[in-house]
Amino acid sequence: EAQVTQNPRYLITVTGKKLTVTCSQNMNHEYMSWYRQDPGLGLRQIYYSMNVEVTDKGDVPEGYKVSRKEKRNFPLILESPSPNQTSLYFCASTRWSGGRNEQFFGPGTRLTVL
Amino acid sequence: QKEVEQDPGPLSVPEGAIVSLNCTYSNSAFQYFMWYRQYSRKGPELLMYTYSSGNKEDGRFTAQVDKSSKYISLFIRDSQPSDSATYLCAMSEETSGSRLTFGEGTQLTVNP
Repeated sequence: EAQVTQNPRYLITVTGKKLTVTCSQNMNHEYMSWYRQDPGLGLRQIYYSMNVEVTDKGDVPEGYKVSRKEKRNFPLILESPSPNQTSLYFCASTRWSGGRNEQFFGPGTRLTVL
Repeated sequence: QKEVEQDPGPLSVPEGAIVSLNCTYSNSAFQYFMWYRQYSRKGPELLMYTYSSGNKEDGRFTAQVDKSSKYISLFIRDSQPSDSATYLCAMSEETSGSRLTFGEGTQLTVNP
């Protein structure tokens, strides 16, 4: 089954404790991205990656890091989480077909930083 | 001011009603317009994809884009309880989708 998986689905942590949210896709897509979703603000892009070893900042990259060492994996790293990073996070991979792009989203990771 | 404005609702309609969802935007460079549907506790999924101005129909769903007014709409005919979800508009300046800007989302409930 074609899918984007994220782990963990739920995470409660404390300020300053480094964490990584993993993302993996099995569709051989080159383009992947991370979003956060907050009430009143909607989905905002954190980082995106056009291909292996190619990453770029989205709209809200502060406090986050990413890496793309393999095509299928795109982990999101919070080196020193803070309470304002409490949010719902989505990973997505993009398929281009017939001149259009379609983003496939993972199930989401709900992060709480105390 | 947000680049994309969308009324968050909530919107509650009876089954069978015609639903109209709308977004306005300020960036005239947007060329690709999408509607995503997000069920509770799930990730968004692409519902409609349109390029530039015009209409696109897919079953009970119709997407309209009016670039002159910077206004896009999604119409749902004969709405069903299974249409209950949050609907997000999204826009991009280019087809690569490297920078996708989303609206806040409108929460829709269709009552049986």
